[in-house]
Amino acid sequence: GAVVSQHPSRVICKSGTSVKIECRSLDFQATTMFWYRQFPKQSLMLMATSNEGSKATYEQGVEKDKFLINHASLTLSTLTVTSAHPEDSSFYICSARGPGGGYGYTFGSGTRLTVV
Amino acid sequence: AQSVTQPDIHITVSEGASLELRCNYSYGATPYLFWYVQSPGQGLQLLLKYFSGDTLVQGIKGFEAEFKRSQSSFNLRKPSVHWSDAAEYFCAVGAFNQAGTALIFGKGTTLSVSS
Repeated sequence: GAVVSQHPSRVICKSGTSVKIECRSLDFQATTMFWYRQFPKQSLMLMATSNEGSKATYEQGVEKDKFLINHASLTLSTLTVTSAHPEDSSFYICSARGPGGGYGYTFGSGTRLTVV
Repeated sequence: AQSVTQPDIHITVSEGASLELRCNYSYGATPYLFWYVQSPGQGLQLLLKYFSGDTLVQGIKGFEAEFKRSQSSFNLRKPSVHWSDAAEYFCAVGAFNQAGTALIFGKGTTLSVSS
């Protein structure tokens, strides 16, 4: 079945630094990628939607200059948290869809970001 | 706006007992509906989905869900719960935005299984 590989699974960074999270679709072309954020014991909040080769569409309230999303290829999307602060600590999950919605919504295994 | 409500934050069920997790949605058209399960610190696993057709949907691990348009509901059921079913369960609806159709999630229901 469709697999999305998300790395790293855990990362600790210092306040003020930037962190990059990668999501790769291993056996299909991910034309659309979704990025979610999940606070402890809470639901997944959609941050942004990106289509390959286009700028990401951010949800209201999500700072696009802080959460940089790149979807330059059909198999790779990245989320960069710039100038991270402790309040950015969270669980980030990506989800990918193939062309025409194929392969449904395949989720990565998530990245636990801790900013100290 | 599209939304999903999971009224039960936490449910405890005895092992072997039946389970029903509630989900209500708000969406103007025929919804795409999903149930996912998440173990602590893990990603999401799809249990089942409804796009159209038969309103009773069978999923993995013995789960099923029934789409009831009149009640705007998509409740998840399992006839006999196993201890390994303890996890967080999320209902989601596919919501179209200008960039694509994203999933909007409910707040989740934590399932505990007692022996």
